[in-house]
Order: sequence, then structure tokens, then C-alpha cells
Amino acid sequence: EPEVTQTPSHQVTQMGQEVILRCVPISNHLYFYWYRQILGQKVEFLVSFYNNEISEKSEIFDDQFSVERPDGSNFTLKIRSTKLEDSAMYFCASDRAPSGNTIYFGEGSWLTVV
Amino acid sequence: EDQVTQSPEALRLQEGESSSLNCSYTVSGLRGLFWYRQDPGKGPEFLFTLYSAGEEKEKERLKATLTKKESFLHITAPKPEDSATYLCAVQSYSGGGADGLTFGKGTHLIIQP
Repeated sequence: EPEVTQTPSHQVTQMGQEVILRCVPISNHLYFYWYRQILGQKVEFLVSFYNNEISEKSEIFDDQFSVERPDGSNFTLKIRSTKLEDSAMYFCASDRAPSGNTIYFGEGSWLTVV
Repeated sequence: EDQVTQSPEALRLQEGESSSLNCSYTVSGLRGLFWYRQDPGKGPEFLFTLYSAGEEKEKERLKATLTKKESFLHITAPKPEDSATYLCAVQSYSGGGADGLTFGKGTHLIIQP
């Protein structure tokens, strides 16, 4: 079964440092997402990406966040200057279509900011 | 603003004891209602997408149903391996493109042998 893969699985970073989280979506999918889940809380939408541009973003996705699809397979989330409150599990997801088809999630990247 | 409320927050059942999880939602225009299973420290695992009231989908011991205001996840004769947190999420229509899911807090299900 095809899957979304994410790296790293766990990263510890100093406050103020830049972090890049990487994702390889399912190969024939066209829509890509980042979500986060703070420990013990619900999954929250950050941003969606289609046709090489941001389609929708939440209030959480402020100027310190950016996304990029640098090549035909990778999809990245960059946090420019990490804060303690950025500590969370970050999930990448992909979908073949926006019409509520099947949105598959990766296993997540656990980010700890110290 | 889309809203999703799941109940109960936690549910403990005996193996074989069937039950239902509830997901109430408010959305401007429903594109899809999603059910996921999440194990501790893992990503959400896709179970079902429902699109319109009256729709039902089944997978093994799980059956999801949808009305205009809520969805139920029915678990028939559960086994210990069904223990997990079950998440409900909605996707609404906006100006087109890829819309983000709004998740509920989940129902933490424990099946005791």
C-alpha cells in the first residue's frame, strides 16, 4: 500500500533555530498538506498546497512558516525561528483530489524545541 | 467556522461488546466527513470518507454512517486490537483547491479482553 513518508521522525532544536521537515507524498497525489498536533490536543490544519502554490492556510501558519516543493517528489515545511510553543508532532498528508477522496497521513515528525 | 465535537471522550468496552462513537459537526458546506484511527505516537490512519446524508461504509468490524448533522462509527464485536483513538474530521467547500480538515478531539477507545 502506498504511503506518505516523513523525515526526521524526531528532531530536537534550540529555540530560534531554523528547522526543515521533509515529506515524500504518495506519487500520483496532487494535493499536499501539513498538520500539527500538540501533545494531548487535537490535530490542527496548517497549510495546503496545490499546483506549486499555497491553496489555503490557517491562522497558525504565520510568517515564520513556509512550504516548498523543491522537486517532483519532496514537500517541505520550514520553520524559520522556532519557539517553545512550536513543539508538536507535524504530519504531512496527501490526496489525489480535493473532492474529499482519501487523505493519507504520514507517521509524523516529532519536533521538540528547547 | 467549521466545528467537530466527538463523544464520548473515552470509552472502555469488553471484547465483543458493540457500541457507537458519535461525531457532531457544523460546516458551511460539507465536502466530506472523514474517520481516522490514531495509535499513540503515530499518524492518523484513514478509515472512511462519507460525502452525503444517508451514506454508509463498512470495513471489517467498523461501519460509518452520516446524517446532515452527525456521523456515527459503529463497532461490532470489537477486539483488543481495535483499541485506539478514533478521529472525526470534516472538509468544507471554499473557493476551490485543497481545503484543510477540521478535526475533533477524538474518542479514546479501550477494548478489554
